Amino acid sequence: GNSVTQMEGPVTLSEEAFLTINCTYTATGYPSLFWYVQYPGEGLQLLLKATKADDKGSNKGFEATYRKETTSFHLEKGSVQVSDSAVYFCALKVEGEKLTFGTGTRLTIIP
Amino acid sequence: DVKVTQSSRYLVKRTGEKVFLECVQDMDHENMFWYRQDPGLGLRLIYFSYDVKMKEKGDIPEGYSVSREKKERFSLILESASTNQTSMYLCASRTYEGAGGETQYFGPGTRLLVL
Repeated sequence: GNSVTQMEGPVTLSEEAFLTINCTYTATGYPSLFWYVQYPGEGLQLLLKATKADDKGSNKGFEATYRKETTSFHLEKGSVQVSDSAVYFCALKVEGEKLTFGTGTRLTIIP
Repeated sequence: DVKVTQSSRYLVKRTGEKVFLECVQDMDHENMFWYRQDPGLGLRLIYFSYDVKMKEKGDIPEGYSVSREKKERFSLILESASTNQTSMYLCASRTYEGAGGETQYFGPGTRLLVL
């Protein structure tokens, strides 16, 4: 079946630090890959996505590259802000199948 | 902007009560979903609906039912609430973006406590 494994949290960083949250996957077909973010007290919202190998998704300073050879989709940001504190979910979708989420990584940024 | 609303942000119910969670979306989406979110388990799909009066079981449907009488509204029903149904419940709707993927739009969640 399909599964997503992401870096366990919680992760605590100082403001302006470099962020990496690791995500790897297994899929029965050719998946599209996603990062969703959940800010405190809110539902999930799409942060970025990539639909084929070597694509790079980007939004709000965050980036992730679809690496088929390593089955990975790591989330990165060069300089985090306090407002980036949230829970981040990696997810995959194979056509005709449901969206599969990782367990989430809680990120806290300290001023 | 797409908006998905859920009827309550917080609910406290007693064991054995029948519980209704309501979700409404305003973007004319065909597909709607109910998930529960638990620490360390991520999001797990309870039920989904492709269209009015259609429903499909997700990964953990036991103890739940759903109703989709109108396109914009998708209800989750706990027939007889139990303490192991204490959780955060998230509703989502989706626009299908072709074979390349999809974007699901989520409501703010309902945090349910069953005593």
